[in-house]
Amino acid sequence: QVQLVQSGAEVKKPGSSVKVSCKVSGGSFSSLTITWVRQAPGQGLECMGRSVPILDASNYVRKFQGRITFSADKSTRTAFMEVTSLTYEDTAVYYCASLGGDGAWGQGTLVTVSA
Amino acid sequence: DVVMTQSPISLPVTLGQPASMSCRSSERLVHSDGNTFLSWFQQRPGQSPRRLISRDSNRDSGVPDRFNASGSGTDFTLKISRVEAEDVGVYYCMQGTHWPYTFGQGTKLEIK
Repeated sequence: QVQLVQSGAEVKKPGSSVKVSCKVSGGSFSSLTITWVRQAPGQGLECMGRSVPILDASNYVRKFQGRITFSADKSTRTAFMEVTSLTYEDTAVYYCASLGGDGAWGQGTLVTVSA
Repeated sequence: DVVMTQSPISLPVTLGQPASMSCRSSERLVHSDGNTFLSWFQQRPGQSPRRLISRDSNRDSGVPDRFNASGSGTDFTLKISRVEAEDVGVYYCMQGTHWPYTFGQGTKLEIK
């Protein structure tokens, strides 16, 4: 059973960057695809992209292309998502999820963009 | 991108009564491998989403059997046979057949 544990809440200034981590336990890291989903306050779910950490392969949703980067530390079974050039509209809860397999989700990371 | 449209947006239901919600996709969701990658997620207030159903109609481990999904092509349905208080939340459908994955806007289930 895959479990995903994310890093804690962040408060960032407009124009800055944030890096969210997603630590994987259980399951097979080598076959895992991590999908990143965000949820703005009171809004629905939006896919940002996906990565296969073991292959260093990523697909980004066009809307976020150029502003987000996925990476991973295979030794610690941790996936990362960095978002740059933050604006107020990036205030949201960011989730990592394993939508294939057993469908696990992280607990979410609240990123607040505030001056 | 594939547009997923859910209805109704709000679904008030009496405890013990059935509930049904719809999800329509702008394109057929049958993958070239023959699978239909349509999933249903439940998001209780203040919680992360939880997958209930994958590949159109396969119930996830631990999901009560009062949840059932059906459909094909572009029209899909999630039914709850007898609503319980713990079922309150927002239900999302998501297609994983075409990239990028896309979600419906959600159906909010509440108790009358």
